[in-house]
Amino acid sequence: AQTVTQSQPEMSVQEAETVTLSCTYDTSESNYYLFWYKQPPSRQMILVIRQEAYKQQNATENRFSVNFQKAAKSFSLKISDSQLGDTAMYFCAFMGWNTGNQFYFGTGTSLTVIP
Amino acid sequence: NAGVTQTPKFRVLKTGQSMTLLCAQDMNHEYMYWYRQDPGMGLRLIHYSVGEGTTAKGEVPDGYNVSRLKKQNFLLGLESAAPSQTSVYFCASSSLTGAASGNTIYFGEGSWLTVV
Repeated sequence: AQTVTQSQPEMSVQEAETVTLSCTYDTSESNYYLFWYKQPPSRQMILVIRQEAYKQQNATENRFSVNFQKAAKSFSLKISDSQLGDTAMYFCAFMGWNTGNQFYFGTGTSLTVIP
Repeated sequence: NAGVTQTPKFRVLKTGQSMTLLCAQDMNHEYMYWYRQDPGMGLRLIHYSVGEGTTAKGEVPDGYNVSRLKKQNFLLGLESAAPSQTSVYFCASSSLTGAASGNTIYFGEGSWLTVV
């Protein structure tokens, strides 16, 4: 079975600063996808960024970027120029090509942006 | 685009009552899922479906049943509600395709269920 671990239950960052959220995963598959989802207080699950494991280049979406280390099975999310609207729970997720489109989620990191 | 729609958004049940949560998606996705979210436990998969007429158990299936009679709908039923089923329930869908939107899971807005 695949496992996704987020070892930071809570984090905080000053507005305009940079913060990195950690995620590690365990799998025997070689082809898979990794995701970061944001869940603001409204509870809506919002896709932040997606990474295909076969791509060596790290994905970026505006102020959000990832550091994907395939050998280390690490997938961290960097948020630059943090904004108050970034305050949310962030979930790391894994989907293996051979697992029938099953998605596995970490337990989440609660991020607070401090004005 | 409506995406994934869940009804109802909020419900309070008494122990032993039954209810059904309805999920509808308009993206023609093959896969649909029901998750529950509890504090400190992230998202846990209850049941999922890989296509119309098929269902499978996830991580925490006990006390729930599901049906997928139509491709666009996935129903989650609680036959005899228990306080331990108080949670936020999320429906989601995905499609295993080569398109940019494929291989990504899309969520509904959640349904808050309280069992007293």
